[in-house]
Amino acid sequence: AQSVTQLGSHVSVSEGALVLLRCNYSSSVPPYLFWYVQYPNQGLQLLLKYTSAATLVKGINGFEAEFKKSETSFHLTKPSAHMSDAAEYFCAVSSNFGNEKLTFGTGTRLTIIP
Amino acid sequence: GAGVSQSPSNKVTEKGKDVELRCDPISGHTALYWYRQSLGQGLEFLIYFQGNSAPDKSGLPSDRFSAERTGGSVSTLTIQRTQQEDSAVYLCASGADAWGELFFGEGSRLTVL
Repeated sequence: AQSVTQLGSHVSVSEGALVLLRCNYSSSVPPYLFWYVQYPNQGLQLLLKYTSAATLVKGINGFEAEFKKSETSFHLTKPSAHMSDAAEYFCAVSSNFGNEKLTFGTGTRLTIIP
Repeated sequence: GAGVSQSPSNKVTEKGKDVELRCDPISGHTALYWYRQSLGQGLEFLIYFQGNSAPDKSGLPSDRFSAERTGGSVSTLTIQRTQQEDSAVYLCASGADAWGELFFGEGSRLTVL
């Protein structure tokens, strides 16, 4: 079975500062990894995904994530936080080996300090 | 529309009543998931349908919860004898395959009085 662990249920950063949201995964097969974002009172939408191509993945709104197999990590970063980035962020893992279903982490709520 | 559609968007019911929540996935999507999101909580997996395979029901919290997917398309989540702890937003998501991107509906907010 696969799983993801998101370190930090709440993260606060100042506007203009680096955003770093941590995600570590556990998988016995090559993983596919995703970051989803949920803005207040909205549904979830895909931010970016890794599916075994380039290890550095760029997503919407200036976010990117790097797949590091040696560290079993897929941390989400953005160089400069914007007020509109305030949201809940979910890391998720799946695989096309063995029909693994998509499994989500517990989420990280990002607060931006003006 | 072309997205995942859920109904009702809001449902208020009395404890002990049964409720049905409906999900219309994106046409052609073989994967369909139900999740539950309680206030301030993460996503709790409930059930997963993939094509014609037997559904993965491992996340259903009790036998009061059931779901079906008819014709590989529309899905209905049924909660029998609702309890106050069932109050949450129930999210449906569909995907073109089992391991790829999921598209989420806006959710059905259930309040059990």
